[in-house]
Amino acid sequence: DGGITQSPKYLFRKEGQNVTLSCEQNLNHDAMYWYRQDPGQGLRLIYYSQIVNDFQKGDIAEGYSVSREKKESFPLTVTSAQKNPTAFYLCASSPPQSSYEQYFGPGTRLTVT
Amino acid sequence: QKEVEQDPGPLSVPEGAIVSLNCTYSNSAFQYFMWYRQYSRKGPELLMYTYSSGNKEDGRFTAQVDKSSKYISLFIRDSQPSDSATYLCAMSVYNTDKLIFGTGTRLQVFP
Repeated sequence: DGGITQSPKYLFRKEGQNVTLSCEQNLNHDAMYWYRQDPGQGLRLIYYSQIVNDFQKGDIAEGYSVSREKKESFPLTVTSAQKNPTAFYLCASSPPQSSYEQYFGPGTRLTVT
Repeated sequence: QKEVEQDPGPLSVPEGAIVSLNCTYSNSAFQYFMWYRQYSRKGPELLMYTYSSGNKEDGRFTAQVDKSSKYISLFIRDSQPSDSATYLCAMSVYNTDKLIFGTGTRLQVFP
C-alpha cells in the first residue's frame, strides 16, 4: 500500500528544544518537500530535495534543517532558532519530472510552549 | 498583492448544488494548475491538475483554466456532505519545483 507517512501525528515540545519530524514514502518518488501550514495562510515551502544527498531552501527555511540520506526518508528538524514553530507540518513527494504533481502525507501538528 | 488570491469562505450550500470555487493569480509564469481537497486536520489530497486553458473533467469535478484572465475554477456537480472540506488551488512556477498555494476556501455542504 503505497503512500507517505508522517510521525508523530501530534508533537509537544518546550521552547528551546530541537525536534525532528519524520517523513517516509514508498512511492519511489525522487523529490520530497516540507511545507508549513498556518491558519489563514497558504502552504509555505520550507525545504525540498530532488535527489538523495541534495536539498534546497524554500521560502521559509530559517530555523529549520533537513537531511536526505535515503530516497524514502526526508526528516525535518525544527530548531530552537525558529521563532514561531507551532504549526501544522506537511511532507509531500512527487514523481520524476512532475514536480507539479505533489502528494501529501497526513501531517504533524507541532505545539511548542 | 499575493501571487494567488482565493476567497476563504466559508461557502455553505445545500446537498445537490453546483459549487464554484475560484482562484485568481498574477504571475504569467505559472504553468500547471492544481486543486487539492483538505479535510480538517488531514493532509491535502490532489484532485486534479491542468496545463492549458480550457476544461478538464473527472467525475463530478471540472477544472477550468483561463490563462488570458489569470483565473481558474473548480466546479463540483451534485455536491455531497462528504465534499465538505477546504479546497486549495496551487500553481507551479515555470522551470522550478515550487508550488504556490492559495489560502483555501472552506466549503460546507449541508443535507
